[in-house]
Amino acid sequence: EAGVAQSPRYKIIEKRQSVAFWCNPISGHATLYWYQQILGQGPKLLIQFQNNGVVDDSQLPKDRFSAERLKGVDSTLKIQPAKLEDSAVYLCASSLGRAFSYNEQFFGPGTRLTVL
Amino acid sequence: AQTVTQSQPEMSVQEAETVTLSCTYDTSESNYYLFWYKQPPSRQMILVIRQEAYKQQNATENRFSVNFQKAAKSFSLKISDSQLGDTAMYFCAFMRGGYGGSQGNLIFGKGTKLSVKP
Repeated sequence: EAGVAQSPRYKIIEKRQSVAFWCNPISGHATLYWYQQILGQGPKLLIQFQNNGVVDDSQLPKDRFSAERLKGVDSTLKIQPAKLEDSAVYLCASSLGRAFSYNEQFFGPGTRLTVL
Repeated sequence: AQTVTQSQPEMSVQEAETVTLSCTYDTSESNYYLFWYKQPPSRQMILVIRQEAYKQQNATENRFSVNFQKAAKSFSLKISDSQLGDTAMYFCAFMRGGYGGSQGNLIFGKGTKLSVKP
């Protein structure tokens, strides 16, 4: 079974530029998460989707970050304009999202963003 | 709000020895899960072990076991017979229980960097 796919693996941009990350979850997984992991810290949730609806985006900096999950499958996370403090690894995770049961989250390899 | 604290930024252990990583958490929830994740240099986050809060028995997965002290809100990971491949960042994480999409996201500690020396 294929895992969670993310691209690109690495991205270097200048501040104030825009950038987009792509995530393809495990087939059949209804729940998709984007996490931000700043160097030396644990991942922090940015946004959680259930199918193509947003469940939690309370920690997403909405003035510069946006995310969408069209058709409830792939997802893109965009930053516009980027700031130096956005330098981090962006992790995508997915889970089955079944009701009334535990759903393990499976993580992708992440995208390392460097903002100069 | 839930918090997860890992007080050991770095640890090292000799190959074949046993090491224990510490974690404390704070929550007012009664239904939750606790996890240990491993993140090697490749960055892929891998689930090591899971503990349901309602279970009194400590979880075990091969060489990995936990000591879950619910009243003390403590959740430590013991790695027995350490191997070179265990070298990685280890994150303790909390997740509110629930149903399906309301299950909640993972809340991570800052991590402990474990080095296994030959």
